[in-house]
Amino acid sequence: EDQVTQSPEALRLQEGESSSLNCSYTVSGLRGLFWYRQDPGKGPEFLFTLYSAGEEKEKERLKATLTKKESFLHITAPKPEDSATYLCAGPGRGNTPLVFGKGTRLSVIA
Amino acid sequence: ETGVTQSPTHLIKTRGQQVTLRCSSQSGHNTVSWYQQALGQGPQFIFQYYREEENGRGNFPPRFSGLQFPNYSSELNVNALELDDSALYLCASTANRAYNEQFFGPGTRLTVL
Repeated sequence: EDQVTQSPEALRLQEGESSSLNCSYTVSGLRGLFWYRQDPGKGPEFLFTLYSAGEEKEKERLKATLTKKESFLHITAPKPEDSATYLCAGPGRGNTPLVFGKGTRLSVIA
Repeated sequence: ETGVTQSPTHLIKTRGQQVTLRCSSQSGHNTVSWYQQALGQGPQFIFQYYREEENGRGNFPPRFSGLQFPNYSSELNVNALELDDSALYLCASTANRAYNEQFFGPGTRLTVL
């Protein structure tokens, strides 16, 4: 069974305190690893797609990296507006487009 | 460019009733997927529609059904509602059914009493 596991479940940071979120996956024949941001009660907002080990992508204070078995979302000098749930997803088997992890709930305190 | 839109925003139903949720895909996108997201969980795939045909289905019972229209908009229908159907229902569209980069709408919050 394809699985995407995220850690930690929740993370509380002080403003400016950098950290990383982890996503490990067992999806075979990985055809992309996806990161989304989700604010409470809203739909996920697309952040990044990574396709090959060693690939990195950046957007403002966020940088996503990919190895053969896991991906990291690095948050540098976070601000309170970065508080959200960050979801990781990989393509599922057959016609299942995406298999999601449970997410990491990030709180950044001023 | 118009993003994915969903209606209604919120809905309250009682057990045993039927519900229809609606989704308009992002401009230029021909494939629509539906997901169910329970509180504290990641979205779970329900089914996908491409060119008005169901193109893949997750582990959901037949009382979850859908439609896609010629303009690529879509409906999700749920019959015989159960309490566990309470969730955020998300619609996502993509430009090509083989392309996994999906763009989500704001969701419909369904509460079953």
